[in-house]
Amino acid sequence: EAGVTQSPTHLIKTRGQQATLRCSPISGHTSVYWYQQALGLGLQFLLWYDEGEERNRGNFPPRFSGRQFPNYSSELNVNALELEDSALYLCASTNRGPASYEQYFGPGTRLTVT
Amino acid sequence: QKEVEQDPGPLSVPEGAIVSLNCTYSNSAFQYFMWYRQYSRKGPELLMYTYSSGNKEDGRFTAQVDKSSKYISLFIRDSQPSDSATYLCAMNTGGFKTIFGAGTRLFVKA
Repeated sequence: EAGVTQSPTHLIKTRGQQATLRCSPISGHTSVYWYQQALGLGLQFLLWYDEGEERNRGNFPPRFSGRQFPNYSSELNVNALELEDSALYLCASTNRGPASYEQYFGPGTRLTVT
Repeated sequence: QKEVEQDPGPLSVPEGAIVSLNCTYSNSAFQYFMWYRQYSRKGPELLMYTYSSGNKEDGRFTAQVDKSSKYISLFIRDSQPSDSATYLCAMNTGGFKTIFGAGTRLFVKA
């Protein structure tokens, strides 16, 4: 069974630009979670998508947005990039519906903002 | 006070040692307790999850949950250099939000 995949692996942008990160969940999983892991910090919850809808978001500004497609893959968009957005962005999927225990993570996209 | 507290380490042990990793928490509503392993520059890998109190064993790994003390542990027997990684505890009430610890860096020396 293929795991969660994310693309690109690395992304380098300059301040003010926009970044688009992509995630494909495990087959059969309908929920996708996005997390930010900045250097030295824990995983910070960004967004939760389930069945094509945004269900909840963490304490991040509106320039962090995304969507989930009919095939349950997901996209995270970060607008007006700031230096502090540099981090590892992780996507996780689960088939546990509204419960996020037993999440499976992808390898992450490392975003560097210069 | 953070909902989940985890000593960041680093923890350095010789090969073959028994490793004990721990987390404490403050929210008594947590029902699911997870342990993830994260290698450098990789995504976290789910090792195991436990529902409510008790023990769970998987090969060299044993997870313990003591809800009365709000304390969870992960034991690694016969530790190997390949176990060198950051170990994250995580907790969930059964809802959408999982709270992660900051992670403990473990080094197993050959």
